[in-house]
Amino acid sequence: DVQLVETGGGSVQPGESLRLSCAVSGFTVSFSYVTWVRQAPGKGLEWVSLIYSDGSPHYADSVKGRFTVSRDNSKNTLYLQMLSLRAEDTAVYYCARFLPTFYGMDVWGQGTKVTVSS
Amino acid sequence: QSALTQPASVSGSPGQSITFSCTGTSSDVGGYKYVSWYQQHPGKAPKLILYDVTKRSSGVSHRFSGSKSGNTASLTISGLQPEDEADYYCSSYTNTSTLGVFGTGTKVTVL
Repeated sequence: DVQLVETGGGSVQPGESLRLSCAVSGFTVSFSYVTWVRQAPGKGLEWVSLIYSDGSPHYADSVKGRFTVSRDNSKNTLYLQMLSLRAEDTAVYYCARFLPTFYGMDVWGQGTKVTVSS
Repeated sequence: QSALTQPASVSGSPGQSITFSCTGTSSDVGGYKYVSWYQQHPGKAPKLILYDVTKRSSGVSHRFSGSKSGNTASLTISGLQPEDEADYYCSSYTNTSTLGVFGTGTKVTVL
């Protein structure tokens, strides 16, 4: 079965950092595209980043320069390093397998909550 | 990148059919076949229900169908059931970003 499990969420103060993990089973991250999507409380879905199978990362303008996506092929795990966090980064963060054949996400993790507040 | 426009809420009685829209531009919905729809129940992760405008994801009921005309895609739920009560989001490829774009979301209420 294909499964993604996010961990690493928590409560931090503005300006602090956090690293989210997305542990994958059922497919190989080094051959796949994986995306991070977030959802602020009571709001809609927002695309955050996408990492291609060749490892090239892509980001939303709202996080560019502050967030970095990476992966550890040996652990079949992806990471989202978040620096200089702001109150507006408060959200549930989901990782999902992205299929370029239809430009969408077929399997999602359960999400991990990030709260940025003083 | 601006979000695709969806109605905030739609409601219907059990057994009825409802249709709601997802409006973009020629740079996204209107220009490509890459429109997907996701269903999200409260407190849960989104679930893919349709992709490539009309194709149902594995295991998804035939009561869900999709279409597109111009810059607007639509999702129809036939024979509305209580378990269809959820938030629904469209998404599309866009040639203005390396990421896709989501719709604003539609809350479906079963009366």
